[in-house]
Amino acid sequence: ETGVTQSPTHLIKTRGQQVTLRCSSQSGHNTVSWYQQALGQGPQFIFQYYREEENGRGNFPPRFSGLQFPNYSSELNVNALELDDSALYLCASSLVGGGGLINNEQFFGPGTRLTVL
Amino acid sequence: AQSVTQLGSHVSVSEGALVLLRCNYSSSVPPYLFWYVQYPNQGLQLLLKYTTGATLVKGINGFEAEFKKSETSFHLTKPSAHMSDAAEYFCAVRRTGANSKLTFGKGITLSVRP
Repeated sequence: ETGVTQSPTHLIKTRGQQVTLRCSSQSGHNTVSWYQQALGQGPQFIFQYYREEENGRGNFPPRFSGLQFPNYSSELNVNALELDDSALYLCASSLVGGGGLINNEQFFGPGTRLTVL
Repeated sequence: AQSVTQLGSHVSVSEGALVLLRCNYSSSVPPYLFWYVQYPNQGLQLLLKYTTGATLVKGINGFEAEFKKSETSFHLTKPSAHMSDAAEYFCAVRRTGANSKLTFGKGITLSVRP
């Protein structure tokens, strides 16, 4: 069973640039959630993708966008980067069935560390 | 809206001592509750979860937590700390139902002294 993988591991960008982060979900999972973890803070929910559509969004501006592909992998795109976007970005996959989240558990990847200069 | 409060940002214990990490939650509906551990430069690993049933939940690495509805608490304990327990610990809450968004606390750093 393959776990959740994320790429790249680290990334350095400058203000105003755009960035794309990638996530491959765990085998058999159909839902991907993205979280932002600023230094010294707990993860904050950005959004979730299910069946290739956004299925819930946290308090993040529209310059944070995403995609989910038919193989359930996902991308997080951030436009017009700001210094405060510097954080660890975590992807979590889960299996959602007809009755809701199965096993009530999300499996997290190792994260992508984004630094904005 | 849901929220999680983890009192204190840092706990230090001696090896072999009791570990107690506190978590209180606020939720308008009965929640699901989770504890995650994060080692340096790694993602989150699930320690244990409470969904329904027995309120005392046992997890990995000897950790356990008790859901106390009357106190809106879900404190994490381990009878005897090990050096390898040094990490960041996060309490999280989720509503029941299909929406699987997790709301996390700010986390507690656990240090273990030899």
